[in-house]
Amino acid sequence: QKEVEQNSGPLSVPEGAIASLNCTYSDRGSQSFFWYRQYSGKSPELIMSIYSNGDKEDGRFTAQLNKASQYVSLLIRDSQPSDSATYLCAVNRNGNKLVFGAGTILRVKS
Amino acid sequence: GAVVSQHPSWVICKSGTSVKIECRSLDFQATTMFWYRQFPKQSLMLMATSNEGSKATYEQGVEKDKFLINHASLTLSTLTVTSAHPEDSSFYICSAGSGTSGGETQYFGPGTRLLVL
Repeated sequence: QKEVEQNSGPLSVPEGAIASLNCTYSDRGSQSFFWYRQYSGKSPELIMSIYSNGDKEDGRFTAQLNKASQYVSLLIRDSQPSDSATYLCAVNRNGNKLVFGAGTILRVKS
Repeated sequence: GAVVSQHPSWVICKSGTSVKIECRSLDFQATTMFWYRQFPKQSLMLMATSNEGSKATYEQGVEKDKFLINHASLTLSTLTVTSAHPEDSSFYICSAGSGTSGGETQYFGPGTRLLVL
């Protein structure tokens, strides 16, 4: 079992729809969780961090964390073609090293 | 805030030469920096964790004598690829950690593309 698992996609959504990206992790001791966006040929860019159970909203993005289910998700409302990228879920156990999922490719079609 | 720069952005070199890549945190101090490598259509692979003033910690399978890391200050870490060969051609990305241990957020530099001929 991989430490951080994501569906590789591609996930295709029409412009204006809600994109839902999911991630599960194996280590119950994980303390902090991050979503990064990576455009083709570019380095990852931090979108959201979340540390507590529940929802955290920032603009069109909402991160959701459920530690009991070991599940973290990212919702993107009003999806735009510019949101098309690979989304990386990352988990920090105890310390400063992140464990990354393989990423989910999102395609927003206009 | 939390800007990380890398230099150079592109390197083309001959096989057998050494290449140095710099990673700087521009507006914060980073006690820890990380070096990743990414091959086309693959995920990030952590190579090593670099702590200011101490030796880097390398991931399993990464040759420490080939990938030399120096973290001389709280804002600068360097990666030197020694005696580079075509199989070392890749996208090298650094990140700098900001925040308390256990919840540290990593901010990535723009990456350096290395092509070894």
